[in-house]
Amino acid sequence: GAGVSQTPSNKVTEKGKYVELRCDPISGHTALYWYRQSLGQGPEFLIYFQGTGAADDSGLPNDRFFAVRPEGSVSTLKIQRTERGDSAVYLCASSLGLSGRGDTQYFGPGTRLTVL
Amino acid sequence: GQQVMQIPQYQHVQEGEDFTTYCNSSTTLSNIQWYKQRPGGHPVFLIQLVKSGEVKKQKRLTFQFGEAKKNSSLHITATQTTDVGTYFCAGVMMDSSYKLIFGSGTRLLVRP
Repeated sequence: GAGVSQTPSNKVTEKGKYVELRCDPISGHTALYWYRQSLGQGPEFLIYFQGTGAADDSGLPNDRFFAVRPEGSVSTLKIQRTERGDSAVYLCASSLGLSGRGDTQYFGPGTRLTVL
Repeated sequence: GQQVMQIPQYQHVQEGEDFTTYCNSSTTLSNIQWYKQRPGGHPVFLIQLVKSGEVKKQKRLTFQFGEAKKNSSLHITATQTTDVGTYFCAGVMMDSSYKLIFGSGTRLLVRP
């Protein structure tokens, strides 16, 4: 079946602009996660959705970052007033949303964001 | 804060040699997961370890979870060129069932 998809695959923007990154999770997965991966580093947790609600947004770096998942499926990560330090690959993952251990997260291909 | 350290940062081996990467957490983990990321790709789940002292094998890959549930290792026997990529461990802390704290990864290069 189809995996997690993310669009766009690449996004180049100018400092100060607003961007939206989209994630389409695996069908039937209730849990959705956003991570940010800088060059040479492991993915860094940003936010976790269970259904439509953000259950944990403790990883969002500041209030310029916001994410929504209005219908419990597709999610959009929104970044306002982009800064050069926001340049990274933004990864989305989804899982079945099982409680407890053993809930495998499946990652999408990522969106490479470059802020000039 | 909670950290997961991973060494070495790079490993360059001759095809057929063994490879090991080590992961250490500052706090006790609920479980640890391992991912592989090919160059230009995204992390792909390999395995999850849950029990203290657990050892799991997948063909040439052997995964171990320490007795104290704070460290883990991945060992590849007789590397092949298809093993090239970055291997990440990701710990799940005791107070969370979902938040993965990734190590910085070990990049494996294999000379044919």
